[in-house]
Amino acid sequence: VRLVESGGGLVHPGKSLRLSCAASGFTFDSYGIHWVRQAPGKGLEWLSVISYDGSTTFYADSVQGRFTISKDNSKKTSDLQMNSLRPEDTALYFCAKDREEWMARPDNIDVWGQGTLVTVSS
Amino acid sequence: SYELTQPPSVSVSPGETARITCSGDAVPKKVVHWFQQRSGQAPVAIIYDDSKRPSGIPERFSGSASGTVATLTIAGAQVEDEADYFCFSSDTSGNLRVFGGGTKLTVL
Repeated sequence: VRLVESGGGLVHPGKSLRLSCAASGFTFDSYGIHWVRQAPGKGLEWLSVISYDGSTTFYADSVQGRFTISKDNSKKTSDLQMNSLRPEDTALYFCAKDREEWMARPDNIDVWGQGTLVTVSS
Repeated sequence: SYELTQPPSVSVSPGETARITCSGDAVPKKVVHWFQQRSGQAPVAIIYDDSKRPSGIPERFSGSASGTVATLTIAGAQVEDEADYFCFSSDTSGNLRVFGGGTKLTVL
């Protein structure tokens, strides 16, 4: 099982960025995907999750309305579209696989990617 | 919003038992999961569904939950267990997931 994030980089405040998570080694269309971030020197912050079939999504209050999660089962990828970025969004962004199959409300992470760094600065 | 509260730090000597707590109002109704994060590495799941241990995780790691408090216990802590530990769970609605603030375990 492997998850590889990409798309991070330096972006100006107010701009947008799209992160991608490429999966391999498991039946991607059976599992939900989470996005989690970690600001430098800080703890983990859960951001969003999408169900195995993409039909349900949930967001943390801190990103609701600014971030959008998606899942393409044919490409085995999940994306996180981030709009109206702020300096406080600077963090290492992880995607993670849910542990249980066929969950409409995934809430159990088992495997993590290595993360992609997003820096929001002028 | 929903919060899970962990102590910022716990310190034990090698061979001692370390206990890390995670408190939240929804703990009686929602399972708690635990992750270990060593410095510079991605988190690793060490306990799920309050007390289940994934394959490959040493038996010295165990979890429990009682009332509003979940506890991660490391029996006979080793130097290599030095890491940050995070609990993870959902609010009662099942709409929000949240991590605890994390606990830095020192073994020396």
